[in-house]
Amino acid sequence: QKEVEQNSGPLSVPEGAIASLNCTYSDRGSQSFFWYRQYSGKSPELIMSIYSNGDKEDGRFTAQLNKASQYVSLLIRDSQPSDSATYLCASLPSSARQLTFGSGTQLTVLP
Amino acid sequence: KAGVTQTPRYLIKTRGQQVTLSCSPISGHRSVSWYQQTPGQGLQFLFEYFSETQRNKGNFPGRFSGRQFSNSRSEMNVSTLELGDSALYLCASSPRTSGVRSLETQYFGPGTRLLVL
Repeated sequence: QKEVEQNSGPLSVPEGAIASLNCTYSDRGSQSFFWYRQYSGKSPELIMSIYSNGDKEDGRFTAQLNKASQYVSLLIRDSQPSDSATYLCASLPSSARQLTFGSGTQLTVLP
Repeated sequence: KAGVTQTPRYLIKTRGQQVTLSCSPISGHRSVSWYQQTPGQGLQFLFEYFSETQRNKGNFPGRFSGRQFSNSRSEMNVSTLELGDSALYLCASSPRTSGVRSLETQYFGPGTRLLVL
């Protein structure tokens, strides 16, 4: 079992809809979680970090963390075609100082 | 401020050869981390250097090594290349090492795409 699991997709949503990206993790001691966006042929860029249970909002993005369920999600409101990319979930395990990444979810926003 | 630069951007090698990749961090950043990205394994951490010292290492064989120079530029070397080493190698720089704050200020370079034949 991978330490960080994501549905690889592809996930398609119409423009203007809410895209919901999900991630589960196995290390119960993980405290820090990150969402990266990677456009095709480009390098990852950090879009959200979350450390506490609950929601964290930044513009059209909301990260949600539920440590009891070991579940992290990213919601993208009013999805735009420019949001089409692969979204990587990453955790910082309690036993390590480096990130563990999920395999990524490919999102396509249809005009 | 210029971003992270990596050279070369593309590289083709044959099995058994060795390769050296270079990374120049953002000015003022002293931490450089290296990652390997493949379709099968995804994005995996290789190692991190800070102030010319390796601070952290991922689960890769000893064929993968690196170093950092006094100007924070870093090189990664892979010896005795295998077909499975074909990947996108990314470096990322940060002003500081360890902790979530270093990850929040970490920026990736464009990567070097290595093809091993």
